[in-house]
Amino acid sequence: SFELTQPPSVSVSPGQTARITCSGDALSKQSACWYQQKPGQAPVLVIHRDSERPSGIPERFSASSSGTIVTLSISGVQAEDEADYYCQSADNSGPYVLFGGGTKLTVL
Amino acid sequence: QVQLVQSGAEVKKPGASVKVSCKASGQIFSNSGVTWVRQAPGQGLEWMGWSSTYNDKTNYSKRLQGRVFMTTETSTNTAYMELRNLRSDDTAVYYCAGVDDVVVKDTSNGVWFDPWGQGTLVTVSS
Repeated sequence: SFELTQPPSVSVSPGQTARITCSGDALSKQSACWYQQKPGQAPVLVIHRDSERPSGIPERFSASSSGTIVTLSISGVQAEDEADYYCQSADNSGPYVLFGGGTKLTVL
Repeated sequence: QVQLVQSGAEVKKPGASVKVSCKASGQIFSNSGVTWVRQAPGQGLEWMGWSSTYNDKTNYSKRLQGRVFMTTETSTNTAYMELRNLRSDDTAVYYCAGVDDVVVKDTSNGVWFDPWGQGTLVTVSS
């Protein structure tokens, strides 16, 4: 089945590294991207093609891919990074697109 | 930088239709695409489909197929999403987002959406 699974929540202290995982069989065939969404705002693309960072996104955002799991890492977490994070991938047959359920990042 | 500006909030009755517009500040929709994503209150993101001006094709989510229709007017840089036969569980914020020409030409290289509109709240209530 085409599903992407994320942990509901992750908590870190300021300055630490936050890691958010996204798992699914589709990730072995298609790359993933990540969005950041703050309350009341539209999502913002922070990573595409598994690990590429769009212009304007801070270098502390990075990502990696291994088999059926992709991981978003945020190093030196700041209070402003507190948000919901969604992974997203696609099934080329349509293409059909799927989002993970989202992970709420809390900065303690 | 290209911006997407969506139409205002709507309140509709069950069974009615709603049409949301998404106007780009530049020619972002030429030979590329537009996707629509919705978010029910307190819930995650749900992909609805996309419309490509590169090959004049649309792809809709299986869940909404038959009720959702997406069109793009490249002459006015405006995309539209119409959802018919509305139900209460269609209450959500609806977002449009750009689909890069690199993506629509070959999705095997990855699919991502950028930039996003500000969102349009559609409330379905009797």
